[in-house]
Amino acid sequence: DGGITQSPKYLFRKEGQNVTLSCEQNLNHDAMYWYRQDPGQGLRLIYYSQIVNDFQKGDIAEGYSVSREKKESFPLTVTSAQKNPTAFYLCASSILSLGPGELFFGEGSRLTVL
Amino acid sequence: SQKIEQNSEALNIQEGKTATLTCNYTNYSPAYLQWYRQDPGRGPVFLLLIRENEKEKRKERLKVTFDTTLKQSLFHITASQPADSATYLCALFSSNTGKLIFGQGTTLQVKP
Repeated sequence: DGGITQSPKYLFRKEGQNVTLSCEQNLNHDAMYWYRQDPGQGLRLIYYSQIVNDFQKGDIAEGYSVSREKKESFPLTVTSAQKNPTAFYLCASSILSLGPGELFFGEGSRLTVL
Repeated sequence: SQKIEQNSEALNIQEGKTATLTCNYTNYSPAYLQWYRQDPGRGPVFLLLIRENEKEKRKERLKVTFDTTLKQSLFHITASQPADSATYLCALFSSNTGKLIFGQGTTLQVKP
């Protein structure tokens, strides 16, 4: 079935460690996004990519990095520079060519810093 | 400043009643607005999109209205069921910023 797969579902990290969250889609979508969700707050955009080998910072990119080497894949690295990384991370994709459209989300990755 | 706000308090209603959720915004020029459903520990799922020149959109038991004068969207679920219990997010695409901005969500609890 087509969709977005995020892994791992749960991740624990010690302070000072970098971690990478995986996001793969087989929907043939051009655009991919990473959002962060904290209790009581709306989803906040970290990074997005509209085409392979290109990506742009969102509203809260500090302490994060991404790559888009393949259309299907958009991994997010949470670096040790991120001051408060404990959160629920959501990857999404959309078909840019169809104009304003829905986002298709993965099931999320919950990161906890110990 | 720009804001998009949903009721932070949970909405509790009886099965069979109509649930109405509110999404208010300020200082945006919205091109369209979307509604998503999110279950605990899961990713959001798209429900409906309504454009700025549309007053109302329906899909089965769901209805969305969009009033650009009041700067408000209402999301209705008629004949609500316990399975409708979830958090509902509104998201506004701003012509100003070219970005999709999410509200914090409202949790709906439908009691049998």
